[in-house]
Amino acid sequence: QKEVEQNSGPLSVPEGAIASLNCTYSDRVSQSFFWYRQYSGKSPELIMSIYSNGDKEDGRFTAQLNKASQYVSLLIRDSQPSDSATYLCAVTDPGGYQKVTFGTGTKLQVIP
Amino acid sequence: GAVVSQHPSRVICKSGTSVKIECRSLDFQATTMFWYRQFPKKSLMLMATSNEGSKATYEQGVEKDKFLINHASLTLSTLTVTSAHPEDSSFYICSPFMNTEAFFGQGTRLTVV
Repeated sequence: QKEVEQNSGPLSVPEGAIASLNCTYSDRVSQSFFWYRQYSGKSPELIMSIYSNGDKEDGRFTAQLNKASQYVSLLIRDSQPSDSATYLCAVTDPGGYQKVTFGTGTKLQVIP
Repeated sequence: GAVVSQHPSRVICKSGTSVKIECRSLDFQATTMFWYRQFPKKSLMLMATSNEGSKATYEQGVEKDKFLINHASLTLSTLTVTSAHPEDSSFYICSPFMNTEAFFGQGTRLTVV
């Protein structure tokens, strides 16, 4: 069974600090990796997608992928209170339906 | 990003009745639609996967006769919760899939009383 694992948190960081969110996955054939942000009572929204090893930066967000270690992370620089949410890691496999498997999410709290 | 419209956003129904949730992809065509359920403080749980014009594939433990999924076109999919019970109260989210990315509807908060 494919698994995506995240620390449930909460992860608390002071405003302006770097928040580091981690995710491991079990299926080596996973090809696409995503980070979603979900506010309480709302649907997830896509933050970052990453498909190849290395870093991908978008504004204050950096996604890091290491396929050899089956590890993907999300760094949030200059964390803001508005970043407080649950962050979901998701992976897809190359199967016909491109099934998305979500982690349980890490709750981030940015303390003003 | 792609626009997905899901409604109703909230619904309260009596036990034993049926509720239909509609999900539309407004500016793209989704060949695959995922339906998720999320209980409070829990992660998304995939209920079923449907492809336009074919029967949905349900995850283990999800009753196909209770959760009816129709994916009649590339822009519309519906989930009907039949004979709803209080334990069906949850947050239901549709997720149309295009290329390598999943998009999400706004979600439907179902409360069965």
